[in-house]
Amino acid sequence: EPEVTQTPSHQVTQMGQEVILRCVPISNHLYFYWYRQILGQKVEFLVSFYNNEISEKSEIFDDQFSVERPDGSNFTLKIRSTKLEDSAMYFCASSEYRGTGGRGEKLFFGSGTQLSVL
Amino acid sequence: GDSVTQMEGPVTLSEEAFLTINCTYTATGYPSLFWYVQYPGEGLQLLLKATKADDKGSNKGFEATYRKETTSFHLEKGSVQVSDSAVYFCALTPNSGGSNYKLTFGKGTLLTVNP
Repeated sequence: EPEVTQTPSHQVTQMGQEVILRCVPISNHLYFYWYRQILGQKVEFLVSFYNNEISEKSEIFDDQFSVERPDGSNFTLKIRSTKLEDSAMYFCASSEYRGTGGRGEKLFFGSGTQLSVL
Repeated sequence: GDSVTQMEGPVTLSEEAFLTINCTYTATGYPSLFWYVQYPGEGLQLLLKATKADDKGSNKGFEATYRKETTSFHLEKGSVQVSDSAVYFCALTPNSGGSNYKLTFGKGTLLTVNP
């Protein structure tokens, strides 16, 4: 089965530094997403992206966050000035169609990047 | 807003034991319901889904029935294997309003199956 690939698997950074988390979605997918899970908490939606623009973002996704599809294959999440509370597992996902509703389409998730902010 | 509450883990079972992981939800309307599984070192994978009341999703011996009257979607398996050891996530998406890609997850339940 095709895979969503995320790199690195674990990233350690100092508070205030910029980090870029990278994802390679499945090649024919058009919709891209970032989710995160803070340790012990729920997996939370951050942002969805389609046609080179954000289609929806959560209240977590503030001005410190940005997403980009720089070259037609990668999909990145940038955190400009990391805070301690940004420490979490970040999951990238992609889908061929918009949504997970009754038509049977689904989101494919990567294995995640564990971000540790010190 | 929408929310999902699932059984806190960890759950430890012996091989061939019966598994239940409880999941209840709060949502407006008629959401779609999902179970995702994350095996060690891998991404979240869709295990099964149900899109309307009384639907039963099933896959790999796992089952869950969409119960609107109790707002539940409990995961069951009659005989677990060591290879079922993973983290299981219950989730939902709204079926209307255009945000049906936005999954709302529970916290996840770690299942360990011992030989």
